[in-house]
Amino acid sequence: NAGVTQTPKFQVLKTGQSMTLQCAQDMNHNSMYWYRQDPGMGLRLIYYSASEGTTDKGEVPNGYNVSRLNKREFSLRLESAAPSQTSVYFCASSGGPGGMGKFFGPGTRLTVL
Amino acid sequence: QKEVEQDPGPLSVPEGAIVSLNCTYSNSAFQYFMWYRQYSRKGPELLMYTYSSGNKEDGRFTAQVDKSSKYISLFIRDSQPSDSATYLCAMNSNTGNQFYFGTGTSLTVIP
Repeated sequence: NAGVTQTPKFQVLKTGQSMTLQCAQDMNHNSMYWYRQDPGMGLRLIYYSASEGTTDKGEVPNGYNVSRLNKREFSLRLESAAPSQTSVYFCASSGGPGGMGKFFGPGTRLTVL
Repeated sequence: QKEVEQDPGPLSVPEGAIVSLNCTYSNSAFQYFMWYRQYSRKGPELLMYTYSSGNKEDGRFTAQVDKSSKYISLFIRDSQPSDSATYLCAMNSNTGNQFYFGTGTSLTVIP
């Protein structure tokens, strides 16, 4: 039981490049989330998926797209990376009420030059 | 005004002390309240989860919610060096995508 896994762990991009962050969970959770964490800003919700086939915007969705590929997998895509997207990205999943992503992955540290 | 306010610290206490961590919020629609612990360069892990007002105890940890004052607290009794981490409060409503975290309080427990 791996919980929530994320790939890659680290990534450096140049401005304008694109990439996809991958997330998978093996807990049979319905809800999955993408957050970014920046110093002094805390965790901010980018997108979430309440169930397979649905996605919704969170607090800071601009510049990102998501795909809920199946119940296990939820990917985050940066189409044209900007330095402002330098951050640590966390995927999370939840199977209970209230949401908030109760199980977090280890994070992806992204630097955009 | 931010939806959730949390003193970033840092907070440094001797081993065995009682630690009090606090958050205030402005949105009266919040119903679910959580505390997460985050070790350096790791993902947050859920410590406590409460619905609406009241207290909840789990071992050395006690979470309190005062909805009338829009104030939540986490108490850690008999603090240990292994409690050294950043503690994040979090909350949301039950009607949509209102998910909000505090910025976290850095705690160091000195042996």
